[in-house]
Amino acid sequence: EDKVVQSPLSLVVHEGDTVTLNCSYEVTNFRSLLWYKQEKKAPTFLFMLTSSGIEKKSGRLSSILDKKELFSILNITATQTGDSAVYLCAVGLYTGTASKLTFGTGTRLQVTL
Amino acid sequence: NAGVTQTPKFRILKIGQSMTLQCAQDMNHNYMYWYRQDPGMGLKLIYYSVGAGITDKGEVPNGYNVSRSTTEDFPLRLELAAPSQTSVYFCASSWNNEQFFGPGTRLTVL
Repeated sequence: EDKVVQSPLSLVVHEGDTVTLNCSYEVTNFRSLLWYKQEKKAPTFLFMLTSSGIEKKSGRLSSILDKKELFSILNITATQTGDSAVYLCAVGLYTGTASKLTFGTGTRLQVTL
Repeated sequence: NAGVTQTPKFRILKIGQSMTLQCAQDMNHNYMYWYRQDPGMGLKLIYYSVGAGITDKGEVPNGYNVSRSTTEDFPLRLELAAPSQTSVYFCASSWNNEQFFGPGTRLTVL
């Protein structure tokens, strides 16, 4: 059974801190790993990773994938209260006819003043 | 582009009632998906479609049906609503493995 595990489940930090969110996976037919940010509504796309060791960056957020050890991390530097959200990791699987996503349960991040 | 749209935003059903959740996208994506998200949980795939006329089951298809008569529309049907189907339902469409989500439908079955 395909499995995506995120840790920690929840996290409270002070504004300005740096956080690292973890995602490990055990799946067949791996195609990609995606990170989403979910505030009150629908998930919004952050990154898609397909190759090991290549860091993707967007402002204060960055992510990297290790396909040998089957995990990814999402880093947020100089956190702000607007970063408070649930961060979802999903692994894209190729089924032969389509790409499906298997989601982890998410990490709830709360950034306090 | 409106992206992915879903209706209704909220709905309360009685046990045994039926309803259809509507989903439409205007990005000409072939792939479309229905997920449910229970409180504090990740998203679970209900059904997906690779193109008009083609649908397939995801992880949790029981109690649901879908159809895909056009590229744009992918409605989800609940025939006999049960309390276990209380959830938030997200529709998504994708291109190159990146999925774009609709705003969700919050469904309560009492």
